[in-house]
Amino acid sequence: AQSVTQPDIHITVSEGASLELRCNYSYGATPYLFWYVQSPGQGLQLLLKYFSGDTLVQGIKGFEAEFKRSQSSFNLRKPSVHWSDAAEYFCAVGTSGTYKYIFGTGTRLKVLA
Amino acid sequence: EPEVTQTPSHQVTQMGQEVILRCVPISNHLYFYWYRQILGQKVEFLVSFYNNEISEKSEIFDDQFSVERPDGSNFTLKIRSTKLEDSAMYFCASSPRLAGNFGNEQFFGPGTRLTVL
Repeated sequence: AQSVTQPDIHITVSEGASLELRCNYSYGATPYLFWYVQSPGQGLQLLLKYFSGDTLVQGIKGFEAEFKRSQSSFNLRKPSVHWSDAAEYFCAVGTSGTYKYIFGTGTRLKVLA
Repeated sequence: EPEVTQTPSHQVTQMGQEVILRCVPISNHLYFYWYRQILGQKVEFLVSFYNNEISEKSEIFDDQFSVERPDGSNFTLKIRSTKLEDSAMYFCASSPRLAGNFGNEQFFGPGTRLTVL
């Protein structure tokens, strides 16, 4: 069965520091991969997605993610974090021919001034 | 920019009551979805809907749940007899084509927080 693991429940970084949020998936074929951000009381906003091609994907708000097939990973990165990035981040997997996304448990990011 | 909308933003109900959560998907989208997120937990798929019928559902989506597209714009989730454990945030999503294929993505609404007392 497909699954998504986000090993870090909470991450705290200082403003201006770099960020990497980890995501590992389990799926036999190449999955479709997504990162969403959820601010408190808000819905899910798509940051970026990977379907095929270049394994380094650029998204909104200065985020990028790299698909590494050998590691079954799709880690999210940002070179310099802003206080407004404090939120919960979800990695999700979709697969061809199915209708659903499978989400990870999320990583809550706290940014220190 | 078109967006998925959901009403109400917060619904409080008594255990055993029926609730209807409403969603207006993006107008040219054909596939519709419901997910739920119990507080502090991950987002879970409930059901997908296409061409006026359920196309896929999870084990969570039991007989107390139903979905409907009563007109050309609304997409509803009905919980027939609510339980305490139904308390969660419910997200509606839509996609123009089958999500996952050829780069299609699901667009999520802001959610309805359901509280069952």
